[in-house]
Amino acid sequence: DAGVIQSPRHEVTEMGQEVTLRCKPISGHNSLFWYRQTMMRGLELLIYFNNNVPIDDSGMPEDRFSAKMPNASFSTLKIQPSEPRDSAVYFCASSNNQGAGGYTFGSGTRLTVV
Amino acid sequence: LAKTTQPISMDSYEGQEVNITCSHNNIATNDYITWYQQFPSQGPRFIIQGYKTKVTNEVASLFIPADRKSSTLSLPRVSLSDTAVYYCLAPPRSARQLTFGSGTQLTVLP
Repeated sequence: DAGVIQSPRHEVTEMGQEVTLRCKPISGHNSLFWYRQTMMRGLELLIYFNNNVPIDDSGMPEDRFSAKMPNASFSTLKIQPSEPRDSAVYFCASSNNQGAGGYTFGSGTRLTVV
Repeated sequence: LAKTTQPISMDSYEGQEVNITCSHNNIATNDYITWYQQFPSQGPRFIIQGYKTKVTNEVASLFIPADRKSSTLSLPRVSLSDTAVYYCLAPPRSARQLTFGSGTQLTVLP
């Protein structure tokens, strides 16, 4: 398995533009998580899905952020409109609900909003 | 959720054994101690998990005393490539989500 695949690897966009981050989880994993990492706040959980259904989105910072999981093999995190303070590394992770050791993270998308 | 406390940073030299201690005073009966490692520009990676006593795998050992209020991650003979941030977590065995703290930045020096 190629692991959790995220795209793009890097994204630079202008303030006000829409940004879409993509994630392909590991086949067979039924939970998917979006995290954001910054120097100031560390790793923050934004939202997670179980069996394609959003379970907890309390970490989503504002209405500008939205996430979807149309099927078991694909998820998106959208920011519209983007702002400079959204600059961060966004990680997607998936798990098979077999405990805390079963989480696999992608390599992340480094987002820079100028 | 059990709160974990670990040192912000540690330095070591190549070839030494490194022990990172994590305290989790309010750990619950159903909580497991779990460690993740994060290299620069990568996502966190699972290292080891245990409930009590000692667990060892090809990467590290995890020592957990009987009261489970702390745990120690032991990395034998570290190399430069072990420079990373190490996160200690104590989620329930059936945790649906992971909450990461600040972690310990380990720097291995030549």
